[in-house]
Amino acid sequence: QSVLTQPPSVSGTPGQRVTISCTGSSSNIGAGYDVHWYQQLPGTAPKLLIYGNHNRPSGVPDRFSGSKSGTSASLAITGLQAEDEADYYCQSYDISLRDWVFGGGTKLTVL
Amino acid sequence: EVQLVESGGGLVQPGRSLRLSCTAAGFTFGDYALSWVRQAPGKGLEWIGFIRSKTYGGTTEFAASVKGRFTISRDDSKNIAYLQMNSLKTEDTAVYYCSRDVYYDTTGYSNWYFDLWGRGTLVTVSS
Repeated sequence: QSVLTQPPSVSGTPGQRVTISCTGSSSNIGAGYDVHWYQQLPGTAPKLLIYGNHNRPSGVPDRFSGSKSGTSASLAITGLQAEDEADYYCQSYDISLRDWVFGGGTKLTVL
Repeated sequence: EVQLVESGGGLVQPGRSLRLSCTAAGFTFGDYALSWVRQAPGKGLEWIGFIRSKTYGGTTEFAASVKGRFTISRDDSKNIAYLQMNSLKTEDTAVYYCSRDVYYDTTGYSNWYFDLWGRGTLVTVSS
């Protein structure tokens, strides 16, 4: 069981908007720690997608956006493309565990 | 090119040891903390430990799952970080990634994220 909870899978058709949730608790996201998102394409290493809740590193398309509210965060992908098919992970810090924690990951399928 | 490259993975018997290396290029290695993150086959990501830069003491932190068995060190003159894994268990089987850590403060909260990752090296613990 991951400390941060994500849906195991989401799907959408090309051009659609999808969102992936990341639910934490008062000891991590709710405590005030920021949320970061990573994209892992099949067979490759994770790649930073969003940092500090809503910031995109250079090179990440603005189709990707992040937000945080209370004990949860969300990743939104607009204008869905086939190349977005990947696993997505949220990450934060947990003050009780004193560990950096990841969500269990969400597999995005583009139909 | 800015990159991290892991090496040293392989097949090892339970109870034995293995040392992984993470070689950096294209940036000032000594300025950054480095983490190790692993991914068991078909599973999600698990942070297992990190080492601070020498500026911040070069100290280490570990997840409970590996504390007391794994250690991390760094040689800034060679741009290499090491993950020493002792008393290996079958559940340590995973792809091991090293990552470059970025730290920032927000109103009293210390935040870290991983902005650069290596391609990973597979460690299989089996008899």
